[in-house]
Amino acid sequence: GENVEQHPSTLSVQEGDSAVIKCTYSDSASNYFPWYKQELGKRPQLIIDIRSNVGEKKDQRIAVTLNKTAKHFSLHITETQPEDSAVYFCAASSAKGGTSYGKLTFGQGTILTVHP
Amino acid sequence: EAGVVQSPRYKIIEKKQPVAFWCNPISGHNTLYWYLQNLGQGPELLIRYENEEAVDDSQLPKDRFSAERLKGVDSTLKIQPAELGDSAVYLCASSFGTREQFFGPGTRLTVL
Repeated sequence: GENVEQHPSTLSVQEGDSAVIKCTYSDSASNYFPWYKQELGKRPQLIIDIRSNVGEKKDQRIAVTLNKTAKHFSLHITETQPEDSAVYFCAASSAKGGTSYGKLTFGQGTILTVHP
Repeated sequence: EAGVVQSPRYKIIEKKQPVAFWCNPISGHNTLYWYLQNLGQGPELLIRYENEEAVDDSQLPKDRFSAERLKGVDSTLKIQPAELGDSAVYLCASSFGTREQFFGPGTRLTVL
């Protein structure tokens, strides 16, 4: 089945710095890559996603890049703020075929801490 | 628009007891998922429904876990009997087809 690896497991930055989290996946049929933010004790919330027909997507301070050839995708957060502190999960899924069809396979998560 | 609703939010039981979790998806979402999230890890899919049909239950431990979605709307996940290792957060999510999944707040299960 699909396997998603996420790095780093913890990331500590100063407020205003950028943060980058990277994920790799194994199933070449995967074509949908969402990122979720989960605050302590709360539900995972979708913050941005990308489909395989685009290489980059931005939403204000958040961007995601995708390299289908290398099977990796990354989350970029610029001008980090203390409220960005949370656990971030990447995931991969396929809308058609493949072992990841219709289901999200999550990475192990990255604990991001933004220091004021 | 109401989000995914789950109950109870917390449950503490003795091992070998049964337990059930309930989920009501976002209105109009035909696909419903149950995930297991252990502490410090990402969610892992247990079962996926498209309407009333369980289309992927390969990760569901069928000796003790069962699920149903009788009318294609809300769903129940049951564990009988519960074991110590079942302590985790059980998340329900819903989507329209294979589009974006929205998660509920989860049920935190503690088995003593």
